[in-house]
Amino acid sequence: DTEVTQTPKHLVMGMTNKKSLKCEQHMGHRAMYWYKQKAKKPPELMFVYSYEKLSINESVPSRFSPECPNSSLLNLHLHALQPEDSALYLCASSPRGTSQGTYEQYFGPGTRLTVT
Amino acid sequence: GIQVEQSPPDLILQEGANSTLRCNFSDSVNNLQWFHQNPWGQLINLFYIPSGTKQNGRLSATTVATERYSLLYISSSQTTDSGVYFCAVTLSGGYNKLIFGAGTRLAVHP
Repeated sequence: DTEVTQTPKHLVMGMTNKKSLKCEQHMGHRAMYWYKQKAKKPPELMFVYSYEKLSINESVPSRFSPECPNSSLLNLHLHALQPEDSALYLCASSPRGTSQGTYEQYFGPGTRLTVT
Repeated sequence: GIQVEQSPPDLILQEGANSTLRCNFSDSVNNLQWFHQNPWGQLINLFYIPSGTKQNGRLSATTVATERYSLLYISSSQTTDSGVYFCAVTLSGGYNKLIFGAGTRLAVHP
């Protein structure tokens, strides 16, 4: 089973709201990723967690706050977003930690976020 | 930083036609993946192919790492093949960060 799940599928939020995106995998993978994809553009990396520790923050604004409560779950907490943050947010996982080489990544179906 | 270039940017096919998509990269890479993004946004893994040739049904891929390119072949295309095809690479010591090309947008008409 190579399934990564994401909830919700769609989210509309105002600029003063606080919301969270959720990502789960039950493949025993030890690295998890958040990517952001704007319309007609490729995905861009936001955060990487390896063994539940933050490995990379690609200079993402603090209104995006990631959290990895356990090895199967990755959250992205959203607060005071701007309309330009509207995008498809993709979660991915890979089998090994990021210090153990490079491995295939598996993506979830994404959350389509609209900020009004 | 590394450049990942895909060609052609857009491709229109009649059902049943064959096509070749290309991915060039400007530096040595540890790994390369091909994805198909369907109209709903799901990124589907096609191939994990740092080098060599792989086949899966009507799709096959070849990566020539020494010459810094990869090719994705689609044979007997179907309307369900429509979408965007991305290649993405990872660098040594790069925390497994995927660096995507801009994609090839494919439309297959019946």
